Amino acid sequence: ELKVEQNPLFLSMQEGKNYTIYCNYSTTSDRLYWYRQDPGKSLESLFVLLSNGAVKQEGRLMASLDTKARLSTLHITAAVHDLSATYFCAVVEGAQKLVFGQGTRLTINP
Amino acid sequence: EPEVTQTPSHQVTQMGQEVILRCVPISNHLYFYWYRQILGQKVEFLVSFYNNEISEKSEIFDDQFSVERPDGSNFTLKIRSTKLEDSAMYFCASSELAGDYNEQFFGPGTRLTVL
Repeated sequence: ELKVEQNPLFLSMQEGKNYTIYCNYSTTSDRLYWYRQDPGKSLESLFVLLSNGAVKQEGRLMASLDTKARLSTLHITAAVHDLSATYFCAVVEGAQKLVFGQGTRLTINP
Repeated sequence: EPEVTQTPSHQVTQMGQEVILRCVPISNHLYFYWYRQILGQKVEFLVSFYNNEISEKSEIFDDQFSVERPDGSNFTLKIRSTKLEDSAMYFCASSELAGDYNEQFFGPGTRLTVL
């Protein structure tokens, strides 16, 4: 059974700082996704990572994938308040099923 | 931009009642999914659906649950006899049949409250 673990689960940081969220998964998978969720809202797709060494960047967020270590990171650069949200990683199990991590609740303080 | 839509946004029901949650997937998508998220917890897979049949389901998706594509646009989740523990946000998602890059797009969710 595929397990997906994120850490930290809660992260409070100041604007302008850098930080990294980690996502470990227990068995081989060929696809990993990062989603953002605002309170009471749906899941917004941020990144799709398909291969070992994949790196994608969008604004202040950068995601990478190491399939050998079964590890993905989501790096936040010079955080701004608008990035406050819960971030989920999700790994594909089998053909279509997404297995989600517990989520990281990120709060960015002015 | 095409999006997945869900109705209602919030449903309140009494324990033991039947509820039907509705979803309209993106029009050219062929795979459909239901996930749920209990308040403050992670998102959990319920079921996937392709070519008018269930392709995969989780342990949560027991005999109380069923899915249907009653016409060319809607995709529904029925809970026959709701329990208190069914209270959650239910998300519908859809994806194209497109090989490895098979991104799932999520709807806004239906908040189900069972009293």
